[in-house]
Amino acid sequence: DSGVTQTPKHLITATGQRVTLRCSPRSGDLSVYWYQQSLDQGLQFLIQYYNGEERAKGNILERFSAQQFPDLHSELNLSSLELGDSALYFCASSPGPSGEAFFGQGTRLTVV
Amino acid sequence: DQQVKQNSPSLSVQEGRISILNCDYTNSMFDYFLWYKKYPAEGPTFLISISSIKDKNEDGRFTVFLNKSAKHLSLHIVPSQPGDSAVYFCAASEGTGFQKLVFGTGTRLLVSP
Repeated sequence: DSGVTQTPKHLITATGQRVTLRCSPRSGDLSVYWYQQSLDQGLQFLIQYYNGEERAKGNILERFSAQQFPDLHSELNLSSLELGDSALYFCASSPGPSGEAFFGQGTRLTVV
Repeated sequence: DQQVKQNSPSLSVQEGRISILNCDYTNSMFDYFLWYKKYPAEGPTFLISISSIKDKNEDGRFTVFLNKSAKHLSLHIVPSQPGDSAVYFCAASEGTGFQKLVFGTGTRLLVSP
């Protein structure tokens, strides 16, 4: 158990809908990272938040947004969902703005 | 453009033998490399890392070798155990920061008794 909690574990939704994925970092960790793993793909970095502020941005679509709240949990919002958004979404956390991070179990999103 | 490539999607090895997982990269600015292991229904877990100032790093049964001129790294597991059966991801970054790690597509290792 990495200490990073992601909910829900599974999510099935229809195209065009909006979903919110939630991540609770390890106790004391200030950084949260979001990654997407599509079928047969490596993990793709989406975005990083550090202590409530956006710190780094990867290949995140404009339909996707994220935020980190004062209690340091983070949410990834995916809107106008398409079939191609079906993937595993991982959250990771680390104590500081860089350095080793620990992954949660992931949320498997299926868009039908 | 796949900057980090793991060309073998799967590898089967017998228990007690050596497992060698390979990874190639194209970005010469990468200077920090990591291996992650992933079991089904779990997130990736950090295994071992190496910075570009070294060519070898060892941790118990796991050794990572880096060949900068060839832009190639490998993970050796000796001896392999059935519990090592998992998907192994290679990852690379510019600097030791975790952000913007670039991952390969993974190699599924099966260690049979």
